[in-house]
Amino acid sequence: DAKTTQPPSMDCAEGRAANLPCNHSTISGNEYVYWYRQIHSQGPQYIIHGLKNNETNEMASLIITEDRKSSTLILPHATLRDTAVYYCIVRPTGNQFYFGTGTSLTVIP
Amino acid sequence: DAGVIQSPRHEVTEMGQEVTLRCKPISGHDYLFWYRQTMMRGLELLIYFNNNVPIDDSGMPEDRFSAKMPNASFSTLKIQPSEPRDSAVYFCASSTGLIAKNIQYFGAGTRLSVL
Repeated sequence: DAKTTQPPSMDCAEGRAANLPCNHSTISGNEYVYWYRQIHSQGPQYIIHGLKNNETNEMASLIITEDRKSSTLILPHATLRDTAVYYCIVRPTGNQFYFGTGTSLTVIP
Repeated sequence: DAGVIQSPRHEVTEMGQEVTLRCKPISGHDYLFWYRQTMMRGLELLIYFNNNVPIDDSGMPEDRFSAKMPNASFSTLKIQPSEPRDSAVYFCASSTGLIAKNIQYFGAGTRLSVL
């Protein structure tokens, strides 16, 4: 049940902003957009989530388009420790997550 | 809180043996999830519990897999008998279940190798 589409891989220079896109054109009105990341050999880690409005926390910003069919995760100043697989997940009000294949982000020194 | 705690971190066993993976969720979380991750299939939800009751086990691959949650602070995932294709990393996660902020917190995982 692939509700999201993400590029398989991206590179970003250290210190620059990393912008990770996600397409979720079939999203429903009550479905949230969640972002997680998984650093090699670790469990997935929550980053941020949103419904309609843009969101920002200490880790990242989430920009959701007005039609909610796509979103962008922004890491404002990428570091080498941000190298990970990033998952964009559209989630109904229930509890099930479908992680998909994500985007493998490599931060380059 | 120490987060979600899984044990063991690594398990190596021989085909046909019983394997038991353990999970302690974050205190106060009433949802618990078991996932499996492989290169071929990615991260898959196997089963989840709410208030210790299994809600959806449609992701459990076969009858060889079983999961229990005898109390709010402990869950097990058992494979009997184990097969080489069960080799994977198994993650446990827990959450509060609140709709507006339903964040799942994952453990470090158990890497299972079945020889």
